Amino acid sequence: KAGVTQTPRYLIKTRGQQVTLSCSPISGHRSVSWYQQTPGQGLQFLFEYFSETQRNKGNFPGRFSGRQFSNSRSEMNVSTLELGDSALYLCASTLTVNTEAFFGQGTRLTVV
Amino acid sequence: QKEVEQNSGPLSVPEGAIASLNCTYSDRGSQSFFWYRQYSGKSPELIMSIYSNGDKEDGRFTAQLNKASQYVSLLIRDSQPSDSATYLCAVNMPPSSASKIIFGSGTRLSIRP
Repeated sequence: KAGVTQTPRYLIKTRGQQVTLSCSPISGHRSVSWYQQTPGQGLQFLFEYFSETQRNKGNFPGRFSGRQFSNSRSEMNVSTLELGDSALYLCASTLTVNTEAFFGQGTRLTVV
Repeated sequence: QKEVEQNSGPLSVPEGAIASLNCTYSDRGSQSFFWYRQYSGKSPELIMSIYSNGDKEDGRFTAQLNKASQYVSLLIRDSQPSDSATYLCAVNMPPSSASKIIFGSGTRLSIRP
């Protein structure tokens, strides 16, 4: 069974640009969550999607958005990039509520 | 108060000894609790999940949950150098109808030979 797949693995963007990251969950998993990890802040919850609906949202500005498609694949978008957005972005999938989350390998975003 | 709190460490334990990692959480309504291990430059890897009060054992790992005290712990027996990593405590926050897993800041564990 394939795990969680995130693309791309690495990205370098310039301030002011926008970026789209992709996540394919484990087959059969319908919930996808996104996290930002930085050395200073640790793993911060961005949002969670289930059946194409955002059910939970963390404390991030509106520049961070996401969506989920009917096949459970998810994308997150960051607009008007800032230097502080440089981080490892992790996607996790869960089978159903209250169950374990399994992470992808992450996308390392560098904003210059 | 942070939703999930851990001692950041580093925690240094001699090889072969027991490593004890602790975590507290703020929301009494939380129902699901997890421990993840993260090596430097890698993504978190699930070690244990625990849902009810008491102990749950899996090989060298034992998770302990005390909902009354809002406390979760992880014991690693016979610690090995390969156990050196950051350990993340994670809690699924209410409502139980949705997934919102919040992570602690992690405890860095170092196993010294």
